[in-house]
Amino acid sequence: DAGVIQSPRHEVTEMGQEVTLRCKPISGHNSLFWYRQTMMRGLELLIYFNNNVPIDDSGMPEDRFSAKMPNASFSTLKIQPSEPRDSAVYFCASTLSALNTEAFFGQGTRLTVV
Amino acid sequence: GENVEQHPSTLSVQEGDSAVIKCTYSDSASNYFPWYKQELGKGPQLIIDIRSNVGEKKDQRIAVTLNKTAKHFSLHITETQPEDSAVYFCAAIRRNDMRFGAGTRLTVKP
Repeated sequence: DAGVIQSPRHEVTEMGQEVTLRCKPISGHNSLFWYRQTMMRGLELLIYFNNNVPIDDSGMPEDRFSAKMPNASFSTLKIQPSEPRDSAVYFCASTLSALNTEAFFGQGTRLTVV
Repeated sequence: GENVEQHPSTLSVQEGDSAVIKCTYSDSASNYFPWYKQELGKGPQLIIDIRSNVGEKKDQRIAVTLNKTAKHFSLHITETQPEDSAVYFCAAIRRNDMRFGAGTRLTVKP
């Protein structure tokens, strides 16, 4: 398995534009997490899914953020409209939920909103 | 939800010395405590973990201790090497809800 795959690796966009980040979890993993990493706040949990169902989205900062998981092998995090304060590295991670085992992280998407 | 606090935020040691990073958590139902290492430009990777029914675990130069009564756990790295320089995160997990500490930037000086 190639691990958790995120795309794009880097995204630079103008304020007000829509941004879509993508994640492909490890095959067979049934939990998926989206995190945002900044110097000030560290790794913030935005939302996580179990078996494609959103369980806790209390970390999503505003209505401008939305996440979907249409099937077991794909998830998106969308920001619309984007703002400069959304600039951060966004990580996706997947795990086998029933076992409380290691979470595998993707390489992250570095988002810059100018 | 769970609240995880991690200290110190930065730590600088001389090669060969030991490094200790401490975390506290708030939810007594948390039962799994992993530690992740993040190198520059990469996602965090698991280095060691401990479950709530265990007080200590070792893996070569790395050890983790857990005090469930006090709700704190610590990472110990002995005989540090320059390649140990990275950002380290602790996490506390309850029913698959995984919350991280703010991270510790460890620098090992040769």
